[in-house]
This record gives sequence, structure tokens and C-alpha cells, in this order.
Amino acid sequence: DAGITQSPRHKVTETGTPVTLRCHQTENHRYMYWYRQDPGHGLRLIHYSYGVKDTDKGEVSDGYSVSRSKTEDFLLTLESATSSQTSVYFCAISDPTVNSYEQYFGPGTRLTVT
Amino acid sequence: QKEVEQDPGPLSVPEGAIVSLNCTYSNSAFQYFMWYRQYSRKGPELLMYTYSSGNKEDGRFTAQVDKSSKYISLFIRDSQPSDSATYLCANGGGSNYKLTFGKGTLLTVNP
Repeated sequence: DAGITQSPRHKVTETGTPVTLRCHQTENHRYMYWYRQDPGHGLRLIHYSYGVKDTDKGEVSDGYSVSRSKTEDFLLTLESATSSQTSVYFCAISDPTVNSYEQYFGPGTRLTVT
Repeated sequence: QKEVEQDPGPLSVPEGAIVSLNCTYSNSAFQYFMWYRQYSRKGPELLMYTYSSGNKEDGRFTAQVDKSSKYISLFIRDSQPSDSATYLCANGGGSNYKLTFGKGTLLTVNP
């Protein structure tokens, strides 16, 4: 497996509370991505980063923010969690210097908002 | 219009069968095609990767791209129960290195 870890792996939180998910990589890959996966929708891109402090929105970015202060860490924050954000969240990495489009995924974080 | 369409199945086959999984895509400028396999409660893992058109073979797996019909396929020969998983196709191109995924096809191979 690519060296990608996600924490926490499971979380239950209440509506309105802030939540931060962490993705950590040991591959020194430039690009990092956050996806959510829901039944009937597949994988959808939330935000991605193309370098330290360089981020951009994906197709479902409303209600989420991200930060990347180091190459190895990419944080996803739900400022005020809602039940619609109950999902499985996956982080992925890729390295354009090797192969632009191969993405490698972490094990996922299962988030439940009650 | 969703950029990558994939029949969600589920698909159930007997062990040893040849499996065909298919997707269509809409953006003809995107020339990178991926197949991922995802076991239950795990992250997707990259299975096959092709660029532009043609076939690529890896063991029992063959990935095929038909650009004229915007059709991508994954064939699994001599399917095994361990192949039971959700298979995701993806398409990418452009300068932002993003992939668009199909919704996945759930495959069950019965012993």
C-alpha cells in the first residue's frame, strides 16, 4: 500500500460541531485529494491540493475547508457538521512527476453526524 | 450530464466465468483511464491504467478503451471469489490532474 494514513478512522459527532479529518502521506507526492463516497453517488471530489498552501475546490466543496501546511499533511474541516455530511471520506495522493493521473487512496474515515 | 457512466449492477457470476465491466465517458479530450477495485469497507486500489486507446493486459485482467464509442471495459478471465468487490472506472485529463469516477459496479463471484 502507498504510505497513506487517515485519522480518525471512525468518528461520531453531533450536528453543529466542527470536525477535522487528517490525511498523512509518506510518499512525498505533490497532489492530495479529499473525496466523499456515498451510496448512489460514487466518489466525489471535495477539495484537492497541488502543493503546500495551494488548494482548489472540487465538485462538492460547500461546507468544507482544507489546509495544507506541509507536503505530508492535508486536513479536511467541516466547520459545522450537518447530517448530510455523514459519509465515508477518502484521501488520495498522486505524483505528476511520475504519472499524472494514478491516484492512490487511503483507508478512509467513516463519519457519522447525528 | 455525468461525465462517466457506469452500470451499478449488482453483477453475480459463477467462479471461472469471464466478467465484462463497462463504462462510458463524455469528455473525448480526457485520455487517461483507470480501473479501481474496492473491497467492502476498504479504500479503492488501482487495478489498471491505460492511456489513450487500445488494450492493456495484466494477468487475468484486460482493460480496453474504444475512443470512437467512448467506451471503456474491464475483462476478468477465470473469475475467482476473491474478485468479489466494487469496480470503479475513472477518466482524467487536463492540467489539474483530477479524475472523474463512475459510481461503481458491485461484482460477486460465487464459488
